[in-house]
Amino acid sequence: GAGVSQSPSNKVTEKGKDVELRCDPISGHTALYWYRQSLGQGLEFLIYFQGNSAPDKSGLPSDRFSAERTGGSVSTLTIQRTQQEDSAVYLCASSFQSGGAETQYFGPGTRLLVL
Amino acid sequence: AQSVAQPEDQVNVAEGNPLTVKCTYSVSGNPYLFWYVQYPNRGLQFLLKYITGDNLVKGSYGFEAEFNKSQTSFHLKKPSALVSDSALYFCAVRLDRGSTLGRLYFGRGTQLTVWP
Repeated sequence: GAGVSQSPSNKVTEKGKDVELRCDPISGHTALYWYRQSLGQGLEFLIYFQGNSAPDKSGLPSDRFSAERTGGSVSTLTIQRTQQEDSAVYLCASSFQSGGAETQYFGPGTRLLVL
Repeated sequence: AQSVAQPEDQVNVAEGNPLTVKCTYSVSGNPYLFWYVQYPNRGLQFLLKYITGDNLVKGSYGFEAEFNKSQTSFHLKKPSALVSDSALYFCAVRLDRGSTLGRLYFGRGTQLTVWP
């Protein structure tokens, strides 16, 4: 079946602009995660959604970052007033459930460059 | 705090030789341990995981990993390396309980290069 898909694959924006990144999880997966991969910070957890429960937003680096998941499927990560330090690869993952033993399957990522 | 250490930024090995990529962890609680591989400009690809039971876990592409609770390690191994194994490898840990149950904690990654 289809894996996790993300769009766009690349995004170049100017400092101060807002961007939206999209993630389509594997069909039937109830848990969805966002991570950020950058040279200086490695792989960082941002946020995770499990079903109808309140999301765990504890990894979001500032209030310029937000995410939503509509209908328990597609998710959008929004970065407002982008800064150069937001430049990174944003990875989305999904898993069948949220239990600790569940494998998270990753999408190809969105490469964001803020000029 | 939970953490994962990959002490080697780079590992170089000749094709046909055995390879080891090291990982140690520090968690409060019982860990679930994972290895992922990343090829250039690609997302993370799952290799294998340890949940419980047999300490030797076998995964994709001939890779295996050994869980050692006393040494808090989960080293990735392969008996005979291939040039196509050259990639960036990440070790990750997830807890079995607590408020951070959902997230993976990653190591910094180890770049494996296999020379022909």
